[in-house]
Amino acid sequence: KNEVEQSPQNLTAQEGEFITINCSYSVGISALHWLQQHPGGGIVSLFMLSSGKKKHGRLIATINIQEKHSSLHITASHPRDSAVYICAVRSTGTDKLIFGTGTRLQVFP
Amino acid sequence: DTGVSQNPRHKITKRGQNVTFRCDPISEHNRLYWYRQTLGQGPEFLTYFQNEAQLEKSRLLSDRFSAERPKGSFSTLEIQRTEQGDSAMYLCASSANRDNEQFFGPGTRLTVL
Repeated sequence: KNEVEQSPQNLTAQEGEFITINCSYSVGISALHWLQQHPGGGIVSLFMLSSGKKKHGRLIATINIQEKHSSLHITASHPRDSAVYICAVRSTGTDKLIFGTGTRLQVFP
Repeated sequence: DTGVSQNPRHKITKRGQNVTFRCDPISEHNRLYWYRQTLGQGPEFLTYFQNEAQLEKSRLLSDRFSAERPKGSFSTLEIQRTEQGDSAMYLCASSANRDNEQFFGPGTRLTVL
């Protein structure tokens, strides 16, 4: 079993829909990252959080440390949000990131 | 452009050849990370540096792989005697310190024929 699990693996939505991507992890962590990867490979950091909730534009990330679970929400989704969204955790006592396999999101007009 | 840069962006080589990739982090970022990503998978940690010191290496980093950051600025990742299984995207990231977000480079896509 992977230490970081994401669901769903693939997600299709119509423009305007509310999107939720989930991430569960099994290790103790000091931080959790949400990353966006577009075709061609470039990775952009969306959020880094260790507790509570963060919001940036139409994106919201939440984390529940006790339940070892995080969610990434996209409100009013748009075709330009189409990408792979990756959850990664920094496990306690180390600097390395452990990544999920990603959620491929396609938003159609 | 003051982001993380990687060179080359693409490398095609024959099995058994040696290859070297370079990563230039964001200026003054003291932490530099190397990851490998195969098709359809999330990235996997390879190694990281704090300044010139290599602090952690993954078990994935066999003795054919070596990474350096000689002056605490740019880093190189060398793969000796490449195998087809080494074909992947090699990603570099840097951060100002342990508690800051990591900024990723565009990656070097390696194809071993």
